[in-house]
Amino acid sequence: AQSVTQLDSQVPVFEEAPVELRCNYSSSVSVYLFWYVQYPNQGLQLLLKYLSGSTLVKGINGFEAEFNKSQTSFHLRKPSVHISDTAEYFCAVIDTGTASKLTFGTGTRLQVTL
Amino acid sequence: DAGVTQSPTHLIKTRGQQVTLRCSPKSGHDTVSWYQQALGQGPQFIFQYYEEEERQRGNFPDRFSGHQFPNYSSELNVNALLLGDSALYLCASSFSGSDIQYFGAGTRLSVL
Repeated sequence: AQSVTQLDSQVPVFEEAPVELRCNYSSSVSVYLFWYVQYPNQGLQLLLKYLSGSTLVKGINGFEAEFNKSQTSFHLRKPSVHISDTAEYFCAVIDTGTASKLTFGTGTRLQVTL
Repeated sequence: DAGVTQSPTHLIKTRGQQVTLRCSPKSGHDTVSWYQQALGQGPQFIFQYYEEEERQRGNFPDRFSGHQFPNYSSELNVNALLLGDSALYLCASSFSGSDIQYFGAGTRLSVL
């Protein structure tokens, strides 16, 4: 069975500061990895994905994430955050090539203040 | 190009009632998945439909059922509503064989 752990339920950060949101996963098979963002009262928007190739993936809004197979991690980073980045961020995994269900973490609330 | 659309956006029901939620997938997508997101939690997989059949199911009781139509749109039905069914219900669509799912804005169900 798969599981996703997002250790930080909340991350407060000042505007223009860097941020890292942590994600670790557990799976007995190969997985693809995703980060989704959820703004208040909205659905999920795909930020970025790792399917194969370079372990450093870039997404929308200046976010990037690095896949580390040995540490089973997929941490999300942004060098300089904006107020508009305030949202809930979810890490998710799916078994490679199954096109089946996504397993999500419990989410990290990123709160950006002036 | 319309994305994934869900209706209604909000719904209030009382315990014991039945509810139907609707989803239209993104153009070109033929697979629909449903997720339940309780307050403060990550989405939980309910089931997935492809070619009008339930292809995979999560750990949800039989009160949760679904349907997919020939145009790939889908419905989620929940019978005998419980207070604990209050949540945001998310629909996601994808192209068969693709691992990338795109989500709608969700339907917020409140059970009183």
